[in-house]
Amino acid sequence: QVTLRESGPALVKPTQTLTLTCTFSGFSLSTSGMCVSWIRQPPGKALEWLARIDWDDDKYYSTSLKTRLTISKDTSKNQVVLTMTNMDPVDTATYFCARSTWIQGDFDYWGLGTLVTVSS
Amino acid sequence: EIVLTQSPDFQSVTPKEKVTITCRASQNIGSSLHWYQQKPDQSPKLLIKYASQSFSGVPSRFSGSGSGTDFTLTINSLEAEDAATYYCHQSSSLPHTFGQGTKLEIK
Repeated sequence: QVTLRESGPALVKPTQTLTLTCTFSGFSLSTSGMCVSWIRQPPGKALEWLARIDWDDDKYYSTSLKTRLTISKDTSKNQVVLTMTNMDPVDTATYFCARSTWIQGDFDYWGLGTLVTVSS
Repeated sequence: EIVLTQSPDFQSVTPKEKVTITCRASQNIGSSLHWYQQKPDQSPKLLIKYASQSFSGVPSRFSGSGSGTDFTLTINSLEAEDAATYYCHQSSSLPHTFGQGTKLEIK
């Protein structure tokens, strides 16, 4: 059974750095072909893909946000971490992590999401 | 970056009606187009992958078609539980992108 769960602060101040953790089970990121992405959704708005990390440690980022994002993994803990620097109120959103594979690009399993509010 | 444009943005429909949602890509993406359903305060759920392949456990009234730049999600005999926002997503090239969403309201 595949599950993913996001965790992190519910509130951050403008200019601070956000650190989110995706803890998963039912698969391993050391298995060839496995990938985990981060996706966000501002309140009432559409989904936006942010970043992906692959089983071989390849990393990919949103074009518009790549200077602010860092994705990493801890295979032994079954975790993927996303950091986003210089947070702004427009970054207020629910942040999801989701699984895909290198061969199958669809997101077949998602976490429940975590709402992050950026406010002073 | 590939832009996905869905239509319509909103549709109000009655139960048992047939619904069609379209997604147009700004360039050829082959069949690397996927559809998700998202209900309020829930995470998206995969319905259709690679344009026409139903994901495990998805009711048979949901189907997908298309290739290249034009894709369609069809819901046959709509049920009240299908009230949700539907998104298309392309994995043909990075960065991945999503459509703006189509909200279905059940009358």
